[in-house]
Amino acid sequence: DAEITQSPRHKITETGRQVTLACHQTWNHNNMFWYRQDLGHGLRLIHYSYGVQDTNKGEVSDGYSVSRSNTEDLPLTLESAASSQTSVYFCASSEWREGIQYFGAGTRLSVL
Amino acid sequence: RKEVEQDPGPFNVPEGATVAFNCTYSNSASQSFFWYRQDCRKEPKLLMSVYSSGNEDGRFTAQLNRASQYISLLIRDSKLSDSATYLCVVTTGTALIFGKGTTLSVSS
Repeated sequence: DAEITQSPRHKITETGRQVTLACHQTWNHNNMFWYRQDLGHGLRLIHYSYGVQDTNKGEVSDGYSVSRSNTEDLPLTLESAASSQTSVYFCASSEWREGIQYFGAGTRLSVL
Repeated sequence: RKEVEQDPGPFNVPEGATVAFNCTYSNSASQSFFWYRQDCRKEPKLLMSVYSSGNEDGRFTAQLNRASQYISLLIRDSKLSDSATYLCVVTTGTALIFGKGTTLSVSS
């Protein structure tokens, strides 16, 4: 069965370090998304991609970057981790741009 | 006005109760609407899409009122397993916008 996987599931890092969260999907979806979820804010869009070599900024993109070199993967990089980036991160993919999104299990990141 | 607004709850109901959640959205150009369910500390999962004519899936009924920019979800005969957070989701033309969610707790 097709799926979307995130790794690691849990990560603890120190402020100032570069961190990369992986997202891999086997749906063959062109569209992929990264969200963060914090208490009181719900899901907020960080970056998204509509296809290989395409990336776009979302609502809360400062301090994050993504690259899309193939259809299956959209890694999220925190260039210099900050305590404000402690959060749960979800990756999602969809067949259509505004279509149903399928989510990975999430990565819980703590920046100390 | 926030893009997608939901009553955060919590809604505490006994098993067998009927409960309704409401959601309003600000972008009148939105074309697609969904309800997602999220269990504690897990990923959101699609519960159902919402169609203009209204649609039903078992005990769940979704309604859309484009004129009032309002979406609803009705759950009949609540089960313990329905306890979760329900997210209202609306499209913007580029991506999905998620409401903060309404928490439902069903007790025996």
